[in-house]
Amino acid sequence: NAGVTQTPKFQVLKTGQSMTLQCAQDMNHNSMYWYRQDPGMGLRLIYYSASEGTTDKGEVPNGYNVSRLNKREFSLRLESAAPSQTSVYFCASSEGRANQPQHFGDGTRLSIL
Amino acid sequence: GQQVMQIPQYQHVQEGEDFTTYCNSSTTLSNIQWYKQRPGGHPVFLIQLVKSGEVKKQKRLTFQFGEAKKNSSLHITATQTTDVGTYFCALRGIGGSYIPTFGRGTSLIVHP
Repeated sequence: NAGVTQTPKFQVLKTGQSMTLQCAQDMNHNSMYWYRQDPGMGLRLIYYSASEGTTDKGEVPNGYNVSRLNKREFSLRLESAAPSQTSVYFCASSEGRANQPQHFGDGTRLSIL
Repeated sequence: GQQVMQIPQYQHVQEGEDFTTYCNSSTTLSNIQWYKQRPGGHPVFLIQLVKSGEVKKQKRLTFQFGEAKKNSSLHITATQTTDVGTYFCALRGIGGSYIPTFGRGTSLIVHP
């Protein structure tokens, strides 16, 4: 019963490099989300996908792109990484209706030098 | 977007002491969720409150939703070292998106 699986768990990049963070869920959830977590800042929504085939910007979308590949998978891409994007990235999923909890992956710890 | 204030940012307690974190909104809420994140871990859903004045308990944890549905609290009685972590509220405004807005969290440090 995996839930939400994120890969990789850790990554170090150089400024300007590109990278895709992968996320997959096996709970048949409609909605998926990408958050970043920085010290003292809580969880800030980068992008979300309400359902397969749709994506929308969250609070902090600049510098990122997303792809909802199918119902299970939602990837986050950094086209040209910047030190300000050093963070812990969490993927989450939910049924997509109001009052439903979010289920989080273990996170990707990303450092950009 | 939805404005969330969660206080305090940090709380140090001796094991056995009580702990409370508060979550406040500038607007009336549809519901509020609480999550716990252990150090190095990911947020895990604890509970959801929907009704005005609602009180729910999970063992030593007591969750309250304010009468005006603008604030909530999480109280832990007799803290244990296993309670260490960051507690987040996540709230939805009435008529707003189904996606909740997370507070910045309260980090609980329990000293044995």
